Amino acid sequence: ILNVEQSPQSLHVQEGDSTNFTCSFPSSNFYALHWYRWETAKSPEALFVMTLNGDEKKKGRISATLNTKEGYSYLYIKGSQPEDSATYLCAFGPGNTGKLIFGQGTTLQVKP
Amino acid sequence: KAGVTQTPRYLIKTRGQQVTLSCSPISGHRSVSWYQQTPGQGLQFLFEYFSETQRNKGNFPGRFSGRQFSNSRSEMNVSTLELGDSALYLCASSPLTGTYEQYFGPGTRLTVT
Repeated sequence: ILNVEQSPQSLHVQEGDSTNFTCSFPSSNFYALHWYRWETAKSPEALFVMTLNGDEKKKGRISATLNTKEGYSYLYIKGSQPEDSATYLCAFGPGNTGKLIFGQGTTLQVKP
Repeated sequence: KAGVTQTPRYLIKTRGQQVTLSCSPISGHRSVSWYQQTPGQGLQFLFEYFSETQRNKGNFPGRFSGRQFSNSRSEMNVSTLELGDSALYLCASSPLTGTYEQYFGPGTRLTVT
């Protein structure tokens, strides 16, 4: 059974704090690692898709790194803002298909 | 470009009935994946269709089925509904399959009573 674990489950930070989350995935049969942001009452929105060991991607204040050999990825948010409040999901792609195995997510709450 | 649309948005069915959900992908996208989201299980992969062929199927009973039409629109069907089928059903489309990011629709909230 392929399992994707995310930690922490939830996080409360103050506006301006920087934070990071972890995603652990099987290091075998790796094809791609996706990060999504899911805001309440909206659809999940893609942040990054990473495929190569050592990949680093950045979008504004959000960045992600990938280590396929040890099976983990980090998502960083620099200077959190209230609009960053959402559930952040990582998803493991075990092959060249659209099948994704999602973690349970990290719910971030940023207080003004 | 219009996003992924799903119909209906909300549905209430009785145990034992069947239901069909529809998903229209972004224009030009050929891959459509379906997911079930329940509070305890998170997002679970149901199946993926690409060019009218099912490419992958998740660990769900045969009561869950789907299909894709030549215009890439997809439907999923659940027969003999059970209370545990109550969930948010999301579909996602991508241009091709594999390493492409998926674009999610708003979901269909199914309640089985």
